[in-house]
Amino acid sequence: GENVEQHPSTLSVQEGDSAVIKCTYSDSASNYFPWYKQELGKRPQLIIDIRSNVGEKKDQRIAVTLNKTAKHFSLHITETQPEDSAVYFCAASGTNSGYALNFGKGTSLLVTP
Amino acid sequence: DAGVIQSPRHEVTEMGQEVTLRCKPISGHNSLFWYRQTMMRGLELLIYFNNNVPIDDSGMPEDRFSAKMPNASFSTLKIQPSEPRDSAVYFCASSSQGYTEAFFGQGTRLTVV
Repeated sequence: GENVEQHPSTLSVQEGDSAVIKCTYSDSASNYFPWYKQELGKRPQLIIDIRSNVGEKKDQRIAVTLNKTAKHFSLHITETQPEDSAVYFCAASGTNSGYALNFGKGTSLLVTP
Repeated sequence: DAGVIQSPRHEVTEMGQEVTLRCKPISGHNSLFWYRQTMMRGLELLIYFNNNVPIDDSGMPEDRFSAKMPNASFSTLKIQPSEPRDSAVYFCASSSQGYTEAFFGQGTRLTVV
């Protein structure tokens, strides 16, 4: 099945700096790559997603890039704010996994004022 | 729509007891997923259903775990007998058929003592 690796597991940045989280996947048939944010004690919620026919997508301070050849994708957060502190999960799904999302282990992001 | 609804929110039970977790997906969604979240293993996919039919249960850890979806509005995850290592947060999520956003319920925090 699909195997998603995520790095780093923890990330600490100063407010205003950028944060980058990277993921790799194993199944070349995967074609949908969402990113979820989970605040402490809350449910995971989608913040941005990208499909395999697109190389990059941006939404205000967050952006995602996808390299299908290398089978990796990344989340970029610019001008970080303390409220960006949370755990971020990448995921992948495709024809071999039905519609199920296979998640990375998560990155705990801390933004210090 | 009220979103994905899970019950109970918290469950404390003694080892050996049967536990039943419940989920009501978003109306109109065709896919339903059960995930287990722990610090060590992250978000693990246990089983998912498409159009009420179980598609892949390879993530179910043992025969003690079973899941059903008798209709499009309801699913259960049962653990019998429960063990302390089953302690985790169990999430149910649903999505429209196809590679789209999965919406998570608020989760059930299970503690087996």
